[in-house]
Amino acid sequence: QVQLQESGPGLVKPSETLSLTCGVSGYSISSGYWWGWVRQPPGEGLEWIATIHHSGSTYYNPSLKSRVTISVDTSNNQFSLTLTSVTAADTAVFYCARHDYSGYYFDYWGQGTLVTVSS
Amino acid sequence: EIVLTQSPGTLSLSPGERVTLSCRASQSVHNYYLAWYQQKPGQAPRLLIHDAFNRATGIPDRFSGSGSGTDFSLTISRLEPGDFAVYYCQQYGSSVYTFGQGTKLEIK
Repeated sequence: QVQLQESGPGLVKPSETLSLTCGVSGYSISSGYWWGWVRQPPGEGLEWIATIHHSGSTYYNPSLKSRVTISVDTSNNQFSLTLTSVTAADTAVFYCARHDYSGYYFDYWGQGTLVTVSS
Repeated sequence: EIVLTQSPGTLSLSPGERVTLSCRASQSVHNYYLAWYQQKPGQAPRLLIHDAFNRATGIPDRFSGSGSGTDFSLTISRLEPGDFAVYYCQQYGSSVYTFGQGTKLEIK
């Protein structure tokens, strides 16, 4: 069974950089599939942030692209997200997820981690 | 970028009822690349339907998807207590994934 677990600080100061890691168990990232990040501000809907393949190919949400980097670490079976110059509007639950075999949808999700941007 | 608009925002229904949720795209969704997710409070979304009408693994046949082009629907034939949640549609196109804003199903 594929399991994903987000980790990182729960509080980030405005203008600083948010960094999260998603540890994957039950499947080797280097074996394939695409992996992504989705966020959800409190009480709001879902927003896709970025997606990466084990080969390093990436897709980014155009509205966030200038501030986002997604990377993969196959040796530790994890992938990461950095979001720079954060503001209160970036406060959200961040989910890491695996895309399904087609790459078009998300079939396995982490439990999510709340990141609050506040001084 | 394709914008997905879901309607209605909230629906109040009773167990046993049938419901159809709508998802309208600002442009035609390529190749039926549309999914539906269910999200319960405090939980991650769960994939229900992919490719517009294919049920994901383990999803009961009470859930069905339909539609094409810019208009898609999710139908739940007989609501069970565990179905009261928020439902999101999601599409893929031109290397971008977008979600609708969600429809909340609440118990009447």
